[in-house]
Amino acid sequence: QSVLTQPPSVSGAPGQRVTISCTGSTSNIGAGYDVHWYQQLPGTAPKVLIYGNINRPSGVPDRFSGSKSGTSASLAITGLQAEDEADYYCQSYDNSLNGWVFGGGTKLTVL
Amino acid sequence: QLQLQESGPGLVKPSETLSLTCTVSGGSISSSNYYWGWIRQPPGKGLEWIGSIYYTGSTYYNPSLKSRLTTSVDTSKNQFSLKLTSVTAADTAVFYCARHTVVTPLYFDYWGQGTLVTVSS
Repeated sequence: QSVLTQPPSVSGAPGQRVTISCTGSTSNIGAGYDVHWYQQLPGTAPKVLIYGNINRPSGVPDRFSGSKSGTSASLAITGLQAEDEADYYCQSYDNSLNGWVFGGGTKLTVL
Repeated sequence: QLQLQESGPGLVKPSETLSLTCTVSGGSISSSNYYWGWIRQPPGKGLEWIGSIYYTGSTYYNPSLKSRLTTSVDTSKNQFSLKLTSVTAADTAVFYCARHTVVTPLYFDYWGQGTLVTVSS
């Protein structure tokens, strides 16, 4: 049972827009801690996609965007491409656990 | 470019101790801006933060693993290490080492490629 809750899977056709939600609580996202998103392609290590709720590292396409409100956050992907098919994880900090927490992950399928 | 590389046995027997080392290259582990962490991922499952260590030896541990976990840092070798005692099959996972920031935003910006550790007799 992950501290942050994500849908197990989402899907969309090429060119479409999808969103992935990440729900936390008052000890993590709701406490004001930032949310970060990682993309994990099959057989590879996770790579940061969004940090500090809305920021993209250099090299990440602007098709990826993040938002945060209250105890939740979302990752939006527009103009879906086949190469976006991967697992996506949200991450934050939890002050009751005094540690870093992840969502359970969401598998994105491009139809 | 910063690189992290995990190393250690790929097979550990139940009840024994799992030991891994992460070697950092392209940057100093003694930077005051970063912690150095361990994350694991059981086959087909999600990510779990294990613990983090600062170059001074200060640590944060996942409460669920704290009783079995020890981490250390060797600044002379630019390495940090993990020891997890009394392992069971539930500890089978890909183990990643990663760097994360000390102050907000608290995220993991560089990751190792990961190493699979199987717990089996």
